[in-house]
Amino acid sequence: GAGVSQTPSNKVTEKGKYVELRCDPISGHTALYWYRQSLGQGPEFLIYFQGTGAADDSGLPNDRFFAVRPEGSVSTLKIQRTERGDSAVYLCASSPGRHNEQFFGPGTRLTVL
Amino acid sequence: DAKTTQPPSMDCAEGRAANLPCNHSTISGNEYVYWYRQIHSQGPQYIIHGLKNNETNEMASLIITEDRKSSTLILPHATLRDTAVYYCIVRGLIPGTYKYIFGTGTRLKVLA
Repeated sequence: GAGVSQTPSNKVTEKGKYVELRCDPISGHTALYWYRQSLGQGPEFLIYFQGTGAADDSGLPNDRFFAVRPEGSVSTLKIQRTERGDSAVYLCASSPGRHNEQFFGPGTRLTVL
Repeated sequence: DAKTTQPPSMDCAEGRAANLPCNHSTISGNEYVYWYRQIHSQGPQYIIHGLKNNETNEMASLIITEDRKSSTLILPHATLRDTAVYYCIVRGLIPGTYKYIFGTGTRLKVLA
């Protein structure tokens, strides 16, 4: 079956611009997670949704980062006033429930020039 | 901070067993040990998880010590395609602990 998909696969933007990254979870998965991964590091947790609500957003680095999941399926990670330090691979994962293993998408590579 | 420590790198000969260790000395009674791997430029791939009993699936075996302070992931017959970064993660089942906290993992290189 279809796995987690993320679009775009690559995004290049300029410092100060706004970007949106999309995640399509596996159908029926109620839990959705966002992580980001810098070069040479393990993924770093950003936010977790259970259904439509953000159950844990403790990993969002600052108020420039925001994520939504309005219908409990697709999620969008939004980054305002991008900075060069935001350059990373942004990973999305979904799971059937909060107690299950997470299935990761291929990621979106964001480059801020 | 990650609750696990792993060696930064390991080599293994193709066809031999790869044994990847992980220390998680502060693990709580309700926390599971998960293993993932990440092949270059892909998202992490689930391998196996366990609580206190040894586990085996089609990919690997997981051996957890009796005191649960460490574990070993075993790839019984490593192939070149097993070259990847392997992450050991401790994860709970209570609110606030569902997220994965990754360390820097072990870079396994399988040699022909």
